[in-house]
Amino acid sequence: GAVVSQHPSRVICKSGTSVKIECRSLDFQATTMFWYRQFPKQSLMLMATSNEGSKATYEQGVEKDKFLINHASLTLSTLTVTSAHPEDSSFYICSARGWNRARETQYFGPGTRLLVL
Amino acid sequence: AQSVSQHNHHVILSEAASLELGCNYSYGGTVNLFWYVQYPGQHLQLLLKYFSGDPLVKGIKGFEAEFIKSKFSFNLRKPSVQWSDTAEYFCAVNPANTGTASKLTFGTGTRLQVTL
Repeated sequence: GAVVSQHPSRVICKSGTSVKIECRSLDFQATTMFWYRQFPKQSLMLMATSNEGSKATYEQGVEKDKFLINHASLTLSTLTVTSAHPEDSSFYICSARGWNRARETQYFGPGTRLLVL
Repeated sequence: AQSVSQHNHHVILSEAASLELGCNYSYGGTVNLFWYVQYPGQHLQLLLKYFSGDPLVKGIKGFEAEFIKSKFSFNLRKPSVQWSDTAEYFCAVNPANTGTASKLTFGTGTRLQVTL
């Protein structure tokens, strides 16, 4: 079946540095990518939605200059956390929506755990 | 905007017990409804979904859910749970007929712990 991968799976960085997280759809074309953030014991919160080749749409309260999203191709989207701070430590999950075997569907990546020291 | 509430945050059951996890949503229009499962250390997987038609939906691994429109509910059920069902379960909705970029809104999740 279709798979969505994320890289890295885990990252630890110093405060003030930037971190890039990649999300790839492996055997289907993702016309839309979603980025979620999951705090401990809480639900996934949608951060932004991006369509291939256009600017991402951010949810209210999400700083677009801090969380840069690029969706340059139908199989790759990246989330860059700029000037990371400890409060950005979280679990980031991407989801890819597209057509797989003539059916529209949505798959989730395994997530990236970010720890900012 | 739509919202989803899952009233059970943590459920502990013995093997072979029956399961019902509550999910209620609020939205002024037609919705699609989903249940996702996240096993420990793994990514979210789709258990089942409802778009239209028969309100009783059967999913993988013996799970089913019933959409009751009048109650805005989409409860998840399984007649007899197994230890391997230990996981976090998320209910989610999105507005129907809004195209590819329709956003999923998730509930806070229910942690199910099945004891031997």
